[in-house]
Amino acid sequence: DAGVTQSPTHLIKTRGQQVTLRCSPKSGHDTVSWYQQALGQGPQFIFQYYEEEERQRGNFPDRFSGHQFPNYSSELNVNALLLGDSALYLCASSLGGRLYFGPGTRLTVT
Amino acid sequence: GQQVMQIPQYQHVQEGEDFTTYCNSSTTLSNIQWYKQRPGGHPVFLIQLVKSGEVKKQKRLTFQFGEAKKNSSLHITATQTTDVGTYFCAGRVGNTPLVFGKGTRLSVIA
Repeated sequence: DAGVTQSPTHLIKTRGQQVTLRCSPKSGHDTVSWYQQALGQGPQFIFQYYEEEERQRGNFPDRFSGHQFPNYSSELNVNALLLGDSALYLCASSLGGRLYFGPGTRLTVT
Repeated sequence: GQQVMQIPQYQHVQEGEDFTTYCNSSTTLSNIQWYKQRPGGHPVFLIQLVKSGEVKKQKRLTFQFGEAKKNSSLHITATQTTDVGTYFCAGRVGNTPLVFGKGTRLSVIA
């Protein structure tokens, strides 16, 4: 039984560019959440998707958007990248309130 | 908004010593969860506490939830090098997203 998978593992982008990160939840999980983890900080909630809709959103600008597909996989899109967007982006699927995190995508913005 | 504070930020211990990290919330929580993140890894769920005054043990780890459901602690007895990592508490109010603390980074000196 595969856990949560994310791609790519690492990514380097330039300021102003756009990026798409991908996530496949753990088998049987239908809810996907995205978190941003800056170096030395705890994960910060970006948004959550359930039944292909954004259900909850954290304090992130509209440059951050997402999508969930019928097979429950999800994408995180970030437009007009800023240096401050450099972080580890974690996807988590959930069951019973417990989060199962993927390995993350390390995004570096130069 | 809801905030979760953790202390200490860092803890260095000799192998065999005990370790405790504390978590405090600005609001009364519905539940609290603890996660461990190894260096270079992703957060992994350890436990969830729901009831006021609840105490749970996992081998050398003891978790407590305060009577007022606003604080929690994780105590590790006789630390080992395998305990190295960052320990995060994460609190939830109702159906709101989990809010993570900044974590306590534990180093164990052999």
